[in-house]
Amino acid sequence: GAVVSQHPSRVICKSGTSVKIECRSLDFQATTMFWYRQFPKKSLMLMATSNEGSKATYEQGVEKDKFLINHASLTLSTLTVTSAHPEDSSFYICSAPRLAGITNEQFFGPGTRLTVL
Amino acid sequence: SQQGEEDPQALSIQEGENATMNCSYKTSINNLQWYRQNSGRGLVHLILIRSNEREKHSGRLRVTLDTSKKSSSLLITASRAADTASYFCATAASGGSYIPTFGRGTSLIVHP
Repeated sequence: GAVVSQHPSRVICKSGTSVKIECRSLDFQATTMFWYRQFPKKSLMLMATSNEGSKATYEQGVEKDKFLINHASLTLSTLTVTSAHPEDSSFYICSAPRLAGITNEQFFGPGTRLTVL
Repeated sequence: SQQGEEDPQALSIQEGENATMNCSYKTSINNLQWYRQNSGRGLVHLILIRSNEREKHSGRLRVTLDTSKKSSSLLITASRAADTASYFCATAASGGSYIPTFGRGTSLIVHP
């Protein structure tokens, strides 16, 4: 089956630094990828839709300047948490849909645990 | 806004028993997927059921979909302690939007 990878799987950083998280579709191309954030014991909240060749679409309440998204190629999207603060600590998950007929199957990355000290 | 809503929010059973989780959603969908998440880990895809399907099986898993009631159920038969995890349903709405939206999940604990 299709595989989506994320790197790094875990990152600890100091407050004020920026952190980049990569999401790659390994055996299929994805013109669209999705970034989610999950708080402890909570559901996944869609943050933004990453679009190859155009700007990302952010969900309401998500700061565009805080969470920079770049869909660099058909297999890579990056999420950069700029000037990270402790409240940005969370589990970030990306997903990529692979069109299968008239439906899309979503494949999720394993997630990145961000801890901001 | 969240599309899928699972219930119960928490389920505690003994090993060997069956576990049933339900998911309700609000709008028309292309497909519905169930995922498992172990504590602090990523999502593991369990099963996808398309809007024109009513039931699907995969090992000890059985998923049903009732589009008239906008609901789905996940049945885990002969549960094991290793099934302890959170289970989420995610729906992909019809009409061209393939963005999956998640419910809050059901936390399943299987006691050995």
